[in-house]
Amino acid sequence: AQSVTQLGSHVSVSEGALVLLRCNYSSSVPPYLFWYVQYPNQGLQLLLKYTSAATLVKGINGFEAEFKKSETSFHLTKPSAHMSDAAEYFCAVKPFGNEKLTFGTGTRLTIIP
Amino acid sequence: DGGITQSPKYLFRKEGQNVTLSCEQNLNHDAMYWYRQDPGQGLRLIYYSQIVNDFQKGDIAEGYSVSREKKESFPLTVTSAQKNPTAFYLCASSPGTGPSSYEQYFGPGTRLTVT
Repeated sequence: AQSVTQLGSHVSVSEGALVLLRCNYSSSVPPYLFWYVQYPNQGLQLLLKYTSAATLVKGINGFEAEFKKSETSFHLTKPSAHMSDAAEYFCAVKPFGNEKLTFGTGTRLTIIP
Repeated sequence: DGGITQSPKYLFRKEGQNVTLSCEQNLNHDAMYWYRQDPGQGLRLIYYSQIVNDFQKGDIAEGYSVSREKKESFPLTVTSAQKNPTAFYLCASSPGTGPSSYEQYFGPGTRLTVT
């Protein structure tokens, strides 16, 4: 079965600093990959997705992610953190075929003023 | 505005009672999903439905039941058989076929507390 690993359940960065949230997946065939954001007591909102087109994917709110097949990674980055970025972020993977969308356990991002 | 609504936002029940969580979508999506979210565990799939009058168990279906009588609606019943029902429940939907079906749209969630 497909799995996705998010390294670091909690990440803290200073306002204005680089945000890097890590996501690795297990698959011999590049799957579809997603990053979602969840603000407290709300549902998930899609940030960006990789669907086998460009390896560098740009999303909303200034976030982007790069698909690296050799590293089986899809890390999320933002050059300059803003206080409003404080939230929980989930990486998800959808393999080809009938396997379901699988979510990572999430990374809670805290922004330090 | 198109979207997914879940009601109520907060729900409190006594142990031993069944409770039904509502999920409605006006996105004209074929597929709908129910997830359970607990701290540190990500999202776990309870049930999903790809067409009306059909649904499949997810990874943690025990103690839950669903129905899909209309395309727009996918209610979830948490039964008294669910041993740890207190959690945040999320409903999602996606288009029926092709790569666009892999992207799921989420409702705002219902926080259920059972005491």
